[in-house]
Formats: sequence, structure tokens, C-alpha cells
Amino acid sequence: DQQVKQNSPSLSVQEGRISILNCDYTNSMFDYFLWYKKYPAEGPTFLISISSIKDKNEDGRFTVFLNKSAKHLSLHIVPSQPGDSAVYFCAASPDAGGTSYGKLTFGQGTILTVHP
Amino acid sequence: GAGVSQTPSNKVTEKGKYVELRCDPISGHTALYWYRQSLGQGPEFLIYFQGTGAADDSGLPNDRFFAVRPEGSVSTLKIQRTERGDSAVYLCASSLLGRGPISGANVLTFGAGSRLTVL
Repeated sequence: DQQVKQNSPSLSVQEGRISILNCDYTNSMFDYFLWYKKYPAEGPTFLISISSIKDKNEDGRFTVFLNKSAKHLSLHIVPSQPGDSAVYFCAASPDAGGTSYGKLTFGQGTILTVHP
Repeated sequence: GAGVSQTPSNKVTEKGKYVELRCDPISGHTALYWYRQSLGQGPEFLIYFQGTGAADDSGLPNDRFFAVRPEGSVSTLKIQRTERGDSAVYLCASSLLGRGPISGANVLTFGAGSRLTVL
């Protein structure tokens, strides 16, 4: 039972354009969502997050949108840069303010390639 | 240390052998997590420590898997009678508080992982 799904295994974008990565979830108890980025041979690194009480959070070139009714979130990167090429994971937390907040459920990941 | 350190980075073993994987969290972080990432999948939660005690071990797949954190810092994940299906990257993460709010400095910081291959 995949509670967090990233249906696109890969995405290829031209430098300077917008990258849009999508994520769907099924568990309505999730109350906080995060995006992690992973380079080969490195651990995932935190990128941006959003609480379930918001619908948008922006940090520089990165914006995360949350549609609670559709149980869908997306990560927008604009403009995309070759250094953004990595695997992107969305993750959900069931307990943002409590002791289980680190028990994250991850999607399968999307490989983003940004071409110069 | 500056980041989460995991050793060994690579471990190749034979089916049926015993394996230990070590995690050294960021200094001062009270919470420590183990995740497992199989090929083509996202990380899956295994166990979480708050201090020395295992607060939640619901993700451990079976009783061949065990983890300890005796002094509230370094943790060891132990796998007995390894099977080929145990092959994966085992990721360790730490966080400052071990409880919410999940923001700012309290997000999970991951190590590079230990790649385990069981032949």
C-alpha cells in the first residue's frame, strides 16, 4: 500500500525552464509534507516543506503547492539549473507537532535532469 | 561532527551472516532514525530512538533486525542471518529535538548511507 506516490520516474527539462514535480498521497492523517533532494552516493538533503494548513510555501527558486482536497502536492523549480539534476523525493509526516514527526513516508522519487 | 556519519559505506556479505551498521549522528541531536532504501524505492522507516530508548520500532521487518543506542549518541543496526532480500541502502538520520515542530533546524538530516549487499 503506497501511501505516497510519485508517478513520474523521471523528468527532463531545459536549463532556465520550469521543473514541476508531482506527488500524490492517500492518508488524510498526514499533516506535514517535505521535499528532499538526493545526489548519487549522498544522503537525501532537505529542500522545502509545507504544513497542511497552508497551500503554498516559497523559498527562492523553489515553491511547493499543496492541494489538500485532491491530496496532491507539487514542487516547482524556476528557473531550473543543471545543478538541480538529482532525485527528488516527497515525504509526509503524520505528526508534525509531536514525537512521531520523523516517521516519514516517502514516495519512490523522480529523477530530474536539467540540460544546459 | 558536522554531519551524520555512517560506516561502513559498503558492505558485502554472504547469506546467513551477521552484519552491524554504525551511525554517528550530529552532535547534540537527541533523535536518531534508521531508514532502508531498496532499489528504485524511497526510504522506508525502520526505527526511531529518542535518547537511548527505541521510541518506535514498528518498521523493523522481522526479529532478525535489531538496533541499539546505548549512550544516546552512536547507534548500531544489527542484522542476523542475512538474506538476499536485505540488500539495500540503510540510511541513518538525526534531528535536534525528537519532537515537533518539524521545521527549521529540526528537520531530519540524513547520512550518506551504508550499502549492504547480501550474496
